[in-house]
Amino acid sequence: GAVVSQHPSRVICKSGTSVKIECRSLDFQATTMFWYRQFPKQSLMLMATSNEGSKATYEQGVEKDKFLINHASLTLSTLTVTSAHPEDSSFYICSARDKGTVSNQPQHFGDGTRLSIL
Amino acid sequence: AQSVTQLDSHVSVSEGTPVLLRCNYSSSYSPSLFWYVQHPNKGLQLLLKYTSAATLVKGINGFEAEFKKSETSFHLTKPSAHMSDAAEYFCVVTNQAGTALIFGKGTTLSVSS
Repeated sequence: GAVVSQHPSRVICKSGTSVKIECRSLDFQATTMFWYRQFPKQSLMLMATSNEGSKATYEQGVEKDKFLINHASLTLSTLTVTSAHPEDSSFYICSARDKGTVSNQPQHFGDGTRLSIL
Repeated sequence: AQSVTQLDSHVSVSEGTPVLLRCNYSSSYSPSLFWYVQHPNKGLQLLLKYTSAATLVKGINGFEAEFKKSETSFHLTKPSAHMSDAAEYFCVVTNQAGTALIFGKGTTLSVSS
């Protein structure tokens, strides 16, 4: 159980394109989902916390107009990288926590999306 | 503020020998601690978790970790390494509110035959 599906797994596109990444909890409901960015050989950096039915909470230094997050249902959050540029190339990972668990329970991670902007 | 330090950026072992990945944490409250594993170009898989129950925690794939409050440590061990254990390992602590995860910088485990 507790599967998180992230799609697409790989995107290559031209500079200026907007890219949407989906994160779905397949067998549980997630009030909260998280979006991370990971640079090569580095740890995960939390970008934002996505809350169902409300605005996302962005970490300091993350441009909310650049990285649009929508959490329209208890099983789906999307991250849209708007007008992507080469410096946005990275590995983006989402995670979700089961709605029915307390806050100290683990998050379940998607398999990540490798975004490459040419 | 809470933080987590993984003491080794890279650990190399031979197949069949023990694995020790070290993690120290800093927290002003009783933390929840996790170890996650990441294989190349993949997301993170939970190995085990400590949430204030038993201090010796057993996880998947033969891994275990011991929470030592006096040493503020949560080291990950496995008696016998397998080639498939080669991956990146992250020690993680929750913030006090439980609303976010704080990651260590990761330890790359290499296993040679």
